[in-house]
This record gives sequence, C-alpha cells and structure tokens, in this order.
Amino acid sequence: GDSVTQMEGPVTLSEEAFLTINCTYTATGYPSLFWYVQYPGEGLQLLLKATKADDKGSNKGFEATYRKETTSFHLEKGSVQVSDSAVYFCALFSGGYQKVTFGTGTKLQVIP
Amino acid sequence: KAGVTQTPRYLIKTRGQQVTLSCSPISGHRSVSWYQQTPGQGLQFLFEYFSETQRNKGNFPGRFSGRQFSNSRSEMNVSTLELGDSALYLCASSGTSGVQGTDTQYFGPGTRLTVL
Repeated sequence: GDSVTQMEGPVTLSEEAFLTINCTYTATGYPSLFWYVQYPGEGLQLLLKATKADDKGSNKGFEATYRKETTSFHLEKGSVQVSDSAVYFCALFSGGYQKVTFGTGTKLQVIP
Repeated sequence: KAGVTQTPRYLIKTRGQQVTLSCSPISGHRSVSWYQQTPGQGLQFLFEYFSETQRNKGNFPGRFSGRQFSNSRSEMNVSTLELGDSALYLCASSGTSGVQGTDTQYFGPGTRLTVL
C-alpha cells in the first residue's frame, strides 16, 4: 500500500538557517505530493503541492521538487524564521476516492 | 471564500457516551473526508463522503460512523466512547468533480475531543 516516510523530529534551527525536511514515498502509479503545515492548536494548511515528476511546488519561501527516480519530495527553505515553527506533514494522493496518506509529521522549532 | 468550519472546537465527554461532530465544507466542495489525529498514531483516515455516499473507509471500528447531507455538510458520530478516542478530529473538503483525481484537500481547524 501507499506510505510516506518523513525524517524524525524535532528539528531545531536558528533563525535564518537553511531547512531541509526529508520525505520519501511508496505508491502505485503517479501520485500527487503535498506538504501541509500545522501551527499549534490549528488544523492543517496546504503549504505546496506537485502533481507530476520534476514539478516544483513553492510557497512562502518553501520549495519541494517531485523526484520520481528517488521517490522523494524533500521540503526546503533557504532562511527560516521563528514564525515557521510548526509541524510539517508530507502527504500523497495516488488515486482512490480522496484518501490521502500522510507521513508522521516533523516538528520544526526555530529559535531566535 | 470561507474555509472549512468545524463545530464544536472542543468537547469533553465521559466513557460510554456518544458524540456528534459537524463539518461544513468550502462552498462548492462536494467531497468531505474525516481524519483522527493523535500523538501516537498520527493522522489516520476515517472515511470520505461524496454526494451523500460514503466512498472510502479507513480501519476504524463500527462505533465510528458518518453521514453527509444534500448541502455537503457532514457529521461524524462516535458511539460508546473510549478513552482512546481522545484526539483531534479533522475534516477536509475538496472540489472533486466526482472522478478520481488529484484535487487538493483543505482542512478545518479540527474538533478536540477529550474522553474522561
């Protein structure tokens, strides 16, 4: 079945540091890939997505490239801010009726 | 455009009781999915509804049920509550046309259920 593997957290970075959160997946066919962010006490917000190989999703300085050859969708940001502190979820949708498979989430803490 | 709304935001119940949670999708969205989020299990898919029909279901006991109304609003019900049902219950809507596709899910803020 489909699965998503994310790097274990928490990840602690200083402000303005470079961020990478690794995500790899197993899926049949050609899934769409997503990154969601969850701030404390809130639901999940879509951060970015990519729907086919080599697509790059980007939003708010975050980027992720759909790599089919390595089945990866790593999240990157060049310079993190304290306000980026949250839990980040990698997810995929490979068909089927709206069943999205989520990774376990990676907590990011950015310190001033 | 208003986002996905969920009510209530917080609930406290005791074991053995039942509870009903409500979700109003984004206007025009016809698919509603429910997820349970716990620290130990992460995000787990409960079920998905489209046009009042349940199309997909996760691996949860029959105590967990749901329905969708003609205006796409959805409710989920948990009967005979157990301590382990304490969780954040998230609802997501998407604008699928009804065909399997890649439409994005948009989440509500969740309902925090505590079972004592």
